[in-house]
Amino acid sequence: GQNIDQPTEMTATEGAIVQINCTYQTSGFNGLFWYQQHAGEAPTFLSYNVLDGLEEKGRFSSFLSRSKGYSYLLLKELQMKDSASYLCAVKDSNYQLIWGAGTKLIIKP
Amino acid sequence: IAGITQAPTSQILAAGRRMTLRCTQDMRHNAMYWYRQDLGLGLRLIHYSNTAGTTGKGEVPDGYSVSRANTDDFPLTLASAVPSQTSVYFCASREARGSSYNEQFFGPGTRLTVL
Repeated sequence: GQNIDQPTEMTATEGAIVQINCTYQTSGFNGLFWYQQHAGEAPTFLSYNVLDGLEEKGRFSSFLSRSKGYSYLLLKELQMKDSASYLCAVKDSNYQLIWGAGTKLIIKP
Repeated sequence: IAGITQAPTSQILAAGRRMTLRCTQDMRHNAMYWYRQDLGLGLRLIHYSNTAGTTGKGEVPDGYSVSRANTDDFPLTLASAVPSQTSVYFCASREARGSSYNEQFFGPGTRLTVL
């Protein structure tokens, strides 16, 4: 079967750095996406990785290792507005997205 | 309108009733999707459409039907609602031509409660 694993919840301090991990087992791989979802709102796109390595976008970076079936999202200089759920999704061999349950990130002052 | 709209925002429905959730996008995206999101579970694909006139079944299609008569609209119908269909429903669209990188854009969601 297909499986995406992420921690259920993480807590971090404002101004700090946090790494959210995602491991996956899917039938085929055609890219990995990270989305942000604030409570009661729709998911919004953060990043996309298809090749191994680090993609940096401002305070957010995403890393991929295809051989290990592993990705992480790194958030730097945390702000209170970063409190949200972070969803990992893998595009499988049918080009459909398989979604993890999401990691709820709580930022404390 | 800009982006994707969904209607209604929320709905309480008696079991056994028929219900259509509406989704409209103005980005001329050719691919559209319906997901449900339940606590503790990832988004699960119900149905999708790669282009107007075609539809396909996702992971959890039972009890739902869709149609795609044109590019902009992708309604989801529950023929006879059951309490297990209580969920938040998201519609999404994507420009499917060109790179597979293209991300999905989501509507604001419909919160449905079936009693």
